[in-house]
Amino acid sequence: EAQVTQNPRYLITVTGKKLTVTCSQNMNHEYMSWYRQDPGLGLRQIYYSMNVEVTDKGDVPEGYKVSRKEKRNFPLILESPSPNQTSLYFCASSLFPGGVSYEQYFGPGTRLTVT
Amino acid sequence: AQTVTQSQPEMSVQEAETVTLSCTYDTSESNYYLFWYKQPPSRQMILVIRQEAYKQQNATENRFSVNFQKAAKSFSLKISDSQLGDTAMYFCAFMKSYTGANSKLTFGKGITLSVRP
Repeated sequence: EAQVTQNPRYLITVTGKKLTVTCSQNMNHEYMSWYRQDPGLGLRQIYYSMNVEVTDKGDVPEGYKVSRKEKRNFPLILESPSPNQTSLYFCASSLFPGGVSYEQYFGPGTRLTVT
Repeated sequence: AQTVTQSQPEMSVQEAETVTLSCTYDTSESNYYLFWYKQPPSRQMILVIRQEAYKQQNATENRFSVNFQKAAKSFSLKISDSQLGDTAMYFCAFMKSYTGANSKLTFGKGITLSVRP
């Protein structure tokens, strides 16, 4: 089954404790992206990756890191989480960036709480 | 920069009736796509319908249709014969259309739709 998976689905952590949220897709997609969803703000892009080893900042990158060492994986790293990073996180992917294959497939979401 | 505005935070509709969700956007781009996403309580983001800006014909998907007014930068979603399973948050979203560009979706704040039995 074609899908985007995220782990963990739920995470409660404390301020300053490094964490990684994994994202994996099995569709051979070139493009991957991370969003955060906050009440009253919709979803906002954190980082994106056009291809392996090519990543760039989205609209709200502060406090986050990403890496794209393999085509299928795009982990989101919070080196020193803070309470303002409490949010619902989504990973998304599409076959190519922009243009023709624009449909994006979303993961199931990760609910992160930082205390 | 693009902006997407959903001014109605909540709406309610009786089962089997029709409801229209509003969305306006602002952009200087000429090539773009517009989307409506549904987010049920499971939190999964589900694509409901999409519209290519270069197409004049309004998109339809079964009970879902859009009213795309390019000059007015308006993109409303009509749900006909509302069903209890339509209860969800709905997001309007914009994406620039350039091959090789960041496929960033710019979302509105969302609207919570409740379908009453």
